[in-house]
Amino acid sequence: DTAVSQTPKYLVTQMGNDKSIKCEQNLGHDTMYWYKQDSKKFLKIMFSYNNKELIINETVPNRFSPKSPDKAHLNLHINSLELGDSAVYFCASSHGTGSGEQFFGPGTRLTVL
Amino acid sequence: GQQLNQSPQSMFIQEGEDVSMNCTSSSIFNTWLWYKQDPGEGPVLLIALYKAGELTSNGRLTAQFGITRKDSFLNISASIPSDVGIYFCAALRRSGNTPLVFGKGTRLSVIA
Repeated sequence: DTAVSQTPKYLVTQMGNDKSIKCEQNLGHDTMYWYKQDSKKFLKIMFSYNNKELIINETVPNRFSPKSPDKAHLNLHINSLELGDSAVYFCASSHGTGSGEQFFGPGTRLTVL
Repeated sequence: GQQLNQSPQSMFIQEGEDVSMNCTSSSIFNTWLWYKQDPGEGPVLLIALYKAGELTSNGRLTAQFGITRKDSFLNISASIPSDVGIYFCAALRRSGNTPLVFGKGTRLSVIA
């Protein structure tokens, strides 16, 4: 059973396009996150949602818009993709907002050409 | 911003050797954690530490929450090939809506 799943696993697209990444967790957690991992493997939080409400937005450009239709899903839509958006994006979930015990998805490798 | 200084950046060791890595910060944190990332996968939690001075083991892994609350270390004893990967320290400043901060990782290579 997959705990945190993301689709797609790989995404290759042209600059200027709009794309979405989907995330689902079946752990019954109430908090979900999006992280960006750059080419040097540095992991940085982008967004956090608790019970479908945005609670952390770490100075991410407006081109990135998360959407949480329910507690088990957190999708990431990116408008007008730029070269610098190329990275691996990880979804994660946890029980509660103050928990460091997070379960990560397998990642989506986004390449912008 | 809050930063975790993790060292070493990378390590090459022989199978069977013990490994030690650490993480320091100028800020106090209330929770320290260690994650491992295998190639092509997401990070997986290894150990979570909640009290200053706490020493916790998980199999061959041992981690400690520094007494000053500004550091933590992870030891791996008798390394095996499947220990290969990137190890990240992470820390939470306080409970509530604060983000988990990650170190830059230690890339471990094990030579059989």
